[in-house]
Amino acid sequence: NAGVTQTPKFQVLKTGQSMTLQCAQDMNHNSMYWYRQDPGMGLRLIYYSASEGTTDKGEVPNGYNVSRLNKREFSLRLESAAPSQTSVYFCASSERGLGEFFGPGTRLTVL
Amino acid sequence: GNSVTQMEGPVTLSEEAFLTINCTYTATGYPSLFWYVQYPGEGLQLLLKATKADDKGSNKGFEATYRKETTSFHLEKGSVQVSDSAVYFCALNDYKLSFGAGTTVTVRA
Repeated sequence: NAGVTQTPKFQVLKTGQSMTLQCAQDMNHNSMYWYRQDPGMGLRLIYYSASEGTTDKGEVPNGYNVSRLNKREFSLRLESAAPSQTSVYFCASSERGLGEFFGPGTRLTVL
Repeated sequence: GNSVTQMEGPVTLSEEAFLTINCTYTATGYPSLFWYVQYPGEGLQLLLKATKADDKGSNKGFEATYRKETTSFHLEKGSVQVSDSAVYFCALNDYKLSFGAGTTVTVRA
């Protein structure tokens, strides 16, 4: 039982490059989330998926897209990376009321 | 909308000291409340939770009580250890989590 896994753990991009962050959970949770964590700003929700086949914007969706590929997987895509997207990205999953379980994070640097 | 306010850090303590981190919330309805901990270089881990008024969550010596009358969920530990050095986040949940900004705690030997 691995919980929530994320790949890659580290990534360096040049401005304008694209990439996809992968997330998978093996807890059979319906809801999945993508957050970014920046110093002094806590965690901010980028996108979430309440169930397979649905996605919704969070607080800071601009510059990102997501895909809920199936119940297990929820990917985050940066189409044209910008330095402002340098951050640590966390994926999480949950069942309502039980709290969210977080992955180990992806540390992204955009030059 | 829902929001969480927690005391600003950083907080620096000596081992065996008493720790309190204040957390207050604004919410419609009756959300569940959580404390998460983030150790250096790691993701967030659920520390404890409470799902209704007057519930007390506890784990690893930490406690927090859901106080509806004061809209608070303060985290306490009676005797901290160096291994408790981390960032602590208060959060509330309706259909998704709303986090406080986090409080950095450093415990010195």
